[in-house]
Amino acid sequence: DTAVSQTPKYLVTQMGNDKSIKCEQNLGHDTMYWYKQDSKKFLKIMFSYNNKELIINETVPNRFSPKSPDKAHLNLHINSLELGDSAVYFCASSQVAGGSYEQYFGPGTRLTVT
Amino acid sequence: SQQGEEDPQALSIQEGENATMNCSYKTSINNLQWYRQNSGRGLVHLILIRSNEREKHSGRLRVTLDTSKKSSSLLITASRAADTASYFCATDSGSSNTGKLIFGQGTTLQVKP
Repeated sequence: DTAVSQTPKYLVTQMGNDKSIKCEQNLGHDTMYWYKQDSKKFLKIMFSYNNKELIINETVPNRFSPKSPDKAHLNLHINSLELGDSAVYFCASSQVAGGSYEQYFGPGTRLTVT
Repeated sequence: SQQGEEDPQALSIQEGENATMNCSYKTSINNLQWYRQNSGRGLVHLILIRSNEREKHSGRLRVTLDTSKKSSSLLITASRAADTASYFCATDSGSSNTGKLIFGQGTTLQVKP
């Protein structure tokens, strides 16, 4: 069974479009995260939800909006896509929020904006 | 600014040799974690070391932590071709309980058969 799954795995779209990435975890975890990994493999936290409540909201353009319909799902919607949004986006989850808990990562969504 | 910085950025060794990767960070921490990322895949947790621990082992992995130098090292002994991957350290902020991790830039390890 896949612990953290993301769809789609690849997403190619044009500038100005709006797209969504979905994430689901079946681990029963309370906390979920979105990360962005750039072409140099630098991984940066974007958002985190704990039991559907936003607890981390880094300096991210407001074109990015996370939504957590329940604690097993965390989706990422991106409006007016720009070239610089091209990256790999990872969803992750942890048992609870806290730096002493390991995070489980999804396989990633490679977003290419043309 | 980036919390974790890793050294070297790339490492190439022969199968059977040991690989050592270093990580430095800037602010106080409660925990430091190491993750592995195979090409085109998500990150996988390897080991967590707490700020009051100096050394931890897990199989062929050995992690050390020196809080006075704000540095950690990951040693992989008797490396295998399957260890070829990128390795990242990640630190919490020390004062936050949000689970926010700050990742280093990673070390790309190539193990030649």
